[in-house]
Amino acid sequence: NAGVTQTPKFRILKIGQSMTLQCTQDMNHNYMYWYRQDPGMGLKLIYYSVGAGITDKGEVPNGYNVSRSTTEDFPLRLELAAPSQTSVYFCATLQGNLGYTFGSGTRLTVV
Amino acid sequence: AQRVTQPEKLLSVFKGAPVELKCNYSYSGSPELFWYVQYSRQRLQLLLRHISRESIKGFTADLNKGETSFHLKKPFAQEEDSAMYYCALSGRFSGGYNKLIFGAGTRLAVHP
Repeated sequence: NAGVTQTPKFRILKIGQSMTLQCTQDMNHNYMYWYRQDPGMGLKLIYYSVGAGITDKGEVPNGYNVSRSTTEDFPLRLELAAPSQTSVYFCATLQGNLGYTFGSGTRLTVV
Repeated sequence: AQRVTQPEKLLSVFKGAPVELKCNYSYSGSPELFWYVQYSRQRLQLLLRHISRESIKGFTADLNKGETSFHLKKPFAQEEDSAMYYCALSGRFSGGYNKLIFGAGTRLAVHP
């Protein structure tokens, strides 16, 4: 099993550009999460999903959108990139008492 | 409000010294607490969860509900322990779904 796979690993965007951060899991976990990690701030929850077709906002959803058309995929969309979205983004899954599994992260810089 | 507090941004010790990384939480229900570790530019890895009551890499953590704390301890720090450590709380929040919320993290630097 690959676990949780995130692509791309790195990306530089110009202000106003859009992009999609991909997250795929092969563990058939229902719960999926997107976090952003900023220095000194820990990880903040952006969006989460409890299953295909169901998504909800986390603590810092502004400027982002998500969709969950399949159990495996949970892409995060940035429509109009801003410098404040420069961060490292982590995708994670949860299944019952098995705990959370994190992807390796996407480092995004908006210039 | 649900919150995880890690009061120290940086903890600097010498090899062989004891280590205690502090974590306090605020949660109205029955919490499930974790410690995650992140080595330089790598993904977060689960270090400990309070329900397992195990010791990983010499680290232990005990849940103290009276003090709402879940401090991480190791009697003798090693250089390879240098990393970022996050305390996290899992519970059912608004909407009834499980979420994981994190503290701001503590960077542990172990010097030779």
